Amino acid sequence: KAGVTQTPRYLIKTRGQQVTLSCSPISGHRSVSWYQQTPGQGLQFLFEYFSETQRNKGNFPGRFSGRQFSNSRSEMNVSTLELGDSALYLCASTGGWGNTEAFFGQGTRLTVV
Amino acid sequence: KNEVEQSPQNLTAQEGEFITINCSYSVGISALHWLQQHPGGGIVSLFMLSSGKKKHGRLIATINIQEKHSSLHITASHPRDSAVYICAGRGGGADGLTFGKGTHLIIQP
Repeated sequence: KAGVTQTPRYLIKTRGQQVTLSCSPISGHRSVSWYQQTPGQGLQFLFEYFSETQRNKGNFPGRFSGRQFSNSRSEMNVSTLELGDSALYLCASTGGWGNTEAFFGQGTRLTVV
Repeated sequence: KNEVEQSPQNLTAQEGEFITINCSYSVGISALHWLQQHPGGGIVSLFMLSSGKKKHGRLIATINIQEKHSSLHITASHPRDSAVYICAGRGGGADGLTFGKGTHLIIQP
């Protein structure tokens, strides 16, 4: 059974640009969550999608957005990139919504220069 | 707002030692997760528990709901256990995970 796949693994962008990251969950999983990890703030919850609907949202500005497709694949988008957006972005998939075990992807390391 | 505190932040031990990492949270949660992160970033889910105790190989996780406290134990520690261990709590169904800062564990041979 394939794991959670995130693409791309590494990305370098310039301030002011936008970026789209992709997450393919484990086959059959309908819930995808996104997280940002930085050395200063640690891991922080961005948002969670279940069956194409955003169920939860963390405390991030509107520049951070996401969506989920009918095949459960999810994308997150960051517009007007800032230097502080440099981070490891992780997604996790679960079989359902709420308290089920989460399976994490390897992450996308975004560097904003 | 749920706060999750971990201790210690850093831990260095010798191979074979018994390891304990602690996690405390400030408000009620419906489940607590223990995660392991190796250099390079990949995260592996070790346990999800809402009560009692779970064991997997040399790893044991316990949770005390009344005291809002969980512990992760590693028996017969090995250098390959070196990683960052993170606890995360989830509140009611409308909340995402809140993470501790992590414990950086180094097991020396």
